[in-house]
Amino acid sequence: QKEVEQDPGPLSVPEGAIVSLNCTYSNSAFQYFMWYRQYSRKGPELLMYTYSSGNKEDGRFTAQVDKSSKYISLFIRDSQPSDSATYLCAMSGPGSNTGKLIFGQGTTLQVKP
Amino acid sequence: DAGVIQSPRHEVTEMGQEVTLRCKPISGHDYLFWYRQTMMRGLELLIYFNNNVPIDDSGMPEDRFSAKMPNASFSTLKIQPSEPRDSAVYFCASSLGGASETQYFGPGTRLLVL
Repeated sequence: QKEVEQDPGPLSVPEGAIVSLNCTYSNSAFQYFMWYRQYSRKGPELLMYTYSSGNKEDGRFTAQVDKSSKYISLFIRDSQPSDSATYLCAMSGPGSNTGKLIFGQGTTLQVKP
Repeated sequence: DAGVIQSPRHEVTEMGQEVTLRCKPISGHDYLFWYRQTMMRGLELLIYFNNNVPIDDSGMPEDRFSAKMPNASFSTLKIQPSEPRDSAVYFCASSLGGASETQYFGPGTRLLVL
């Protein structure tokens, strides 16, 4: 079993829809949770960062962490065609290798106009 | 800053040839990471360096892969001999600090081994 599980999709939604992307993990030591966005033929770039549990909101994006369930989510409100990309969750924390991020498989999202 | 720079951007080679990928991290960043991305396996960490010292190379597939960081502004990933299953996109990333800090990725090198 992988340390981080993420449904690769693809996920196709109409413009304006609310999108929910999710990851589950097995290592209870993880404390740093990130979402990276990767456009086609580009490198990943950090989108959202959350430390420990709770929610974080940035514009149309909301990241949630539920450590009790080992489950993290990224919500995109009023989705736009420009949101079409692959979204990768990533995590790390004390007790694991301090420099190492563990990435999910990535979920490919297409937002149709 | 120009960001993380990788070269070449594309590489096509024949099985058995040596391949060298190059990376220039963002100035001042003390961590450097090499990743490989494929459709089947996603983004995998191969090796990372802290202050030019290799910290974790457990992701390096086998002895055919080697990585060096001779100074703070340059790193190489070498595959010798290359095999078709090495075909992938190889990313270099750097960060100011460990895994709790943002990693900045380069544009990647698309490698095709025939």
